[in-house]
Amino acid sequence: NAGVTQTPKFQVLKTGQSMTLQCAQDMNHEYMSWYRQDPGMGLRLIHYSVGAGITDQGEVPNGYNVSRSTTEDFPLRLLSAAPSQTSVYFCASRREGNTDTQYFGPGTRLTVL
Amino acid sequence: AQSVTQPDIHITVSEGASLELRCNYSYGATPYLFWYVQSPGQGLQLLLKYFSGDTLVQGIKGFEAEFKRSQSSFNLRKPSVHWSDAAEYFCAVGAFDSNYQLIWGAGTKLIIKP
Repeated sequence: NAGVTQTPKFQVLKTGQSMTLQCAQDMNHEYMSWYRQDPGMGLRLIHYSVGAGITDQGEVPNGYNVSRSTTEDFPLRLLSAAPSQTSVYFCASRREGNTDTQYFGPGTRLTVL
Repeated sequence: AQSVTQPDIHITVSEGASLELRCNYSYGATPYLFWYVQSPGQGLQLLLKYFSGDTLVQGIKGFEAEFKRSQSSFNLRKPSVHWSDAAEYFCAVGAFDSNYQLIWGAGTKLIIKP
């Protein structure tokens, strides 16, 4: 199993550009989520999905879109990048149970100039 | 409101010394509690979790944590740290009235002195 994979590992954007961060998991997990990590703030939930075709907003959803057309993939789209979106982005997945371990991808470091 | 506090932004410990990382939470119901570790440039890995039962939980890499309901704490301990334990450690609480989201602490960075 590859676990949770994310691409790219690093990305630099200019303000106003759009892009998609890719996330895939091969563990057949129902639940997937996107977090951003900023210094001194821990992880903040952006969007999550409880299964294919179902997504919902987390704590900081503005400026981001998600879709879940398959169980395996959960891309995160930045619609019009802003410097405030400079961060490290983590994708995570777990089985549906509320006590299950979350498995994290290696992260994408995004810089918006 | 639910919250998790890790009071120490960073902690420096000598190799071979004991370690305790603090975590306090605010949550109305019986919490589900987690400790994750993030090595430099890596994603997060689960160290241990508590749901019910024995309040002393054993995890991977020789770590343990104790749930103390009266103190709303879930402190992480290790009797003797190794240089490879240098990492950032995150405490999280399961907010299961909110579609099973995790509420995260800000993290504690562990520095190991040789």
